[in-house]
Amino acid sequence: DAKTTQPNSMESNEEEPVHLPCNHSTISGTDYIHWYRQLPSQGPEYVIHGLTSNVNNRMASLAIAEDRKSSTLILHRATLRDAAVYYCILRDGASGGSYIPTFGRGTSLIVHP
Amino acid sequence: EPEVTQTPSHQVTQMGQEVILRCVPISNHLYFYWYRQILGQKVEFLVSFYNNEISEKSEIFDDQFSVERPDGSNFTLKIRSTKLEDSAMYFCASTPQGLTQETQYFGPGTRLLVL
Repeated sequence: DAKTTQPNSMESNEEEPVHLPCNHSTISGTDYIHWYRQLPSQGPEYVIHGLTSNVNNRMASLAIAEDRKSSTLILHRATLRDAAVYYCILRDGASGGSYIPTFGRGTSLIVHP
Repeated sequence: EPEVTQTPSHQVTQMGQEVILRCVPISNHLYFYWYRQILGQKVEFLVSFYNNEISEKSEIFDDQFSVERPDGSNFTLKIRSTKLEDSAMYFCASTPQGLTQETQYFGPGTRLLVL
């Protein structure tokens, strides 16, 4: 899988938007961009994924750069419950076999009340 | 919403003992996975399972580990002779068909402590 780079940590205030960046300069044309998060003492949880177009769901938005070399996970209004480690993961859609995300260190999001 | 469940939530065992960690994947899912996370470290893939066979496994998944789907609902991870370094959170996950675009659903984990 292609490599991703994320900041180790970010901080936000409650009720404010949060933009979590991810660089993936070696992304291939068939790589999907997935985001997962892991709340303290819990298993990873799917957040969102996309290929080329921006995506929205009830949890977040994913903004993908036009050249696809970077993406940004957007939490529109951070809550204390959003404090977690956020993982940006690429997976090649052209490869066979089951999808096995490779988790890096991720970004630890701290939300202040 | 359907969820992956795991039992027990915590397990303490003596070094050298066998442990079995249990998981109930989401009922219509076909691919199952085990991951582990040593305290303070990354989530690491152990093994994937499909159609009653191991699909892929990592270097961590050596002969001490085995997986089984003993019935239509449970998916188990067995560690035959536990070592201190097996102490970790173990997560089970499942996906409908194992496709790249699919969401992987994780369970809450079993915290294993080997003394």
